[in-house]
Amino acid sequence: AQSVTQLDSHVSVSEGTPVLLRCNYSSSYSPSLFWYVQHPNKGLQLLLKYTSAATLVKGINGFEAEFKKSETSFHLTKPSAHMSDAAEYFCVVSPFSGSARQLTFGSGTQLTVLP
Amino acid sequence: NAGVTQTPKFQVLKTGQSMTLQCAQDMNHNSMYWYRQDPGMGLRLIYYSASEGTTDKGEVPNGYNVSRLNKREFSLRLESAAPSQTSVYFCASTSGGGSPQHFGDGTRLSIL
Repeated sequence: AQSVTQLDSHVSVSEGTPVLLRCNYSSSYSPSLFWYVQHPNKGLQLLLKYTSAATLVKGINGFEAEFKKSETSFHLTKPSAHMSDAAEYFCVVSPFSGSARQLTFGSGTQLTVLP
Repeated sequence: NAGVTQTPKFQVLKTGQSMTLQCAQDMNHNSMYWYRQDPGMGLRLIYYSASEGTTDKGEVPNGYNVSRLNKREFSLRLESAAPSQTSVYFCASTSGGGSPQHFGDGTRLSIL
């Protein structure tokens, strides 16, 4: 069985300050992990993915995430928030290394960016 | 590129009516998925099709049926709509392996 916990349902930051969105997972296998972003009335867009290569993963729009097996975490960070980053973010796990099948989604974190 | 296209974008139904949601992808992907998104619950898998000619139940299949019409198209049918099926429905596809799932823009369905 696998599960994903996003530790914050809402995060609010000021423009230009760092972003941290927290995600813990559990999986019986060596998982694949993803972060997706959803802007209002849109589908989900892939930000980045971890599939057992480098533990620090760089994604689009300046986002990155670090896979920490000992802490079962996959937190999403960005050094400096932009207004356009305001959206909902989903942490997602697949039990199969190198696979996007059978995804389990976290409940989402709503990011607000204040001017 | 169109990617994953869902129709319609919005729909309002009365309880008991039937409805088919359409999904088509132009990326030659093998696997396709239907999810529903409800507030505070992330996305939950309804049905998926690992390859043309196969379909399998996901986490919340009750009240739904699917058809993998061909490699491009994967439809979701509500035979007798219920208010509990009010949700946003997303279709996704992937080529498999380590490739991520690609999502459509969703169908917003309200059942009165």
